[in-house]
Amino acid sequence: DSGVTQTPKHLITATGQRVTLRCSPRSGDLSVYWYQQSLDQGLQFLIQYYNGEERAKGNILERFSAQQFPDLHSELNLSSLELGDSALYFCASSVAPQQETQYFGPGTRLLVL
Amino acid sequence: TQLLEQSPQFLSIQEGENLTVYCNSSSVFSSLQWYRQEPGEGPVLLVTVVTGGEVKKLKRLTFQFGDARKDSSLHITAAQPGDTGLYLCAGKSGTYKYIFGTGTRLKVLA
Repeated sequence: DSGVTQTPKHLITATGQRVTLRCSPRSGDLSVYWYQQSLDQGLQFLIQYYNGEERAKGNILERFSAQQFPDLHSELNLSSLELGDSALYFCASSVAPQQETQYFGPGTRLLVL
Repeated sequence: TQLLEQSPQFLSIQEGENLTVYCNSSSVFSSLQWYRQEPGEGPVLLVTVVTGGEVKKLKRLTFQFGDARKDSSLHITAAQPGDTGLYLCAGKSGTYKYIFGTGTRLKVLA
């Protein structure tokens, strides 16, 4: 158990819908990362937050957005969902943004039908 | 676009055999990490290498960072069924971003 929690564990929805994925970092970690893992693209970095502020952006689509709240939990919002958005979404946390060790949560499996 | 190519993509071996997984890029990374991911779980960090030419050992696993910091290898001695999983390398790009490799799926048969 990494100490990072993600909800929900599974999510099934339809194309065009919007969903919100939630992540609670390890106690004491200020930085949160979001990743997407699909069979054809591997593990792709989406976005990183540190203490509520966006620090780095990766291959995140405009239909996706994220934020980190004052209590340090983070949410990833996915809208206008397409079939290709079906993937595992992981959250990871670290003490600080430049910290080498990231702890990954168990992931949310999203299926868009 | 920075890419990390891993080879082989799939590997199925018998218990007790040795194996090496490679992680290659045309880009230089300030550090490189190796993770193992098991089904239904997130990746778990195995090691971080920082210096070109650095070698680190973790029990039966030996990790090496290339001299030019563009490639890395993971060698497993006497593989065991518990080593089964998806092995991912990840290079640090800039200050905050990590680029993950394409992955090597290892299966060790008893």
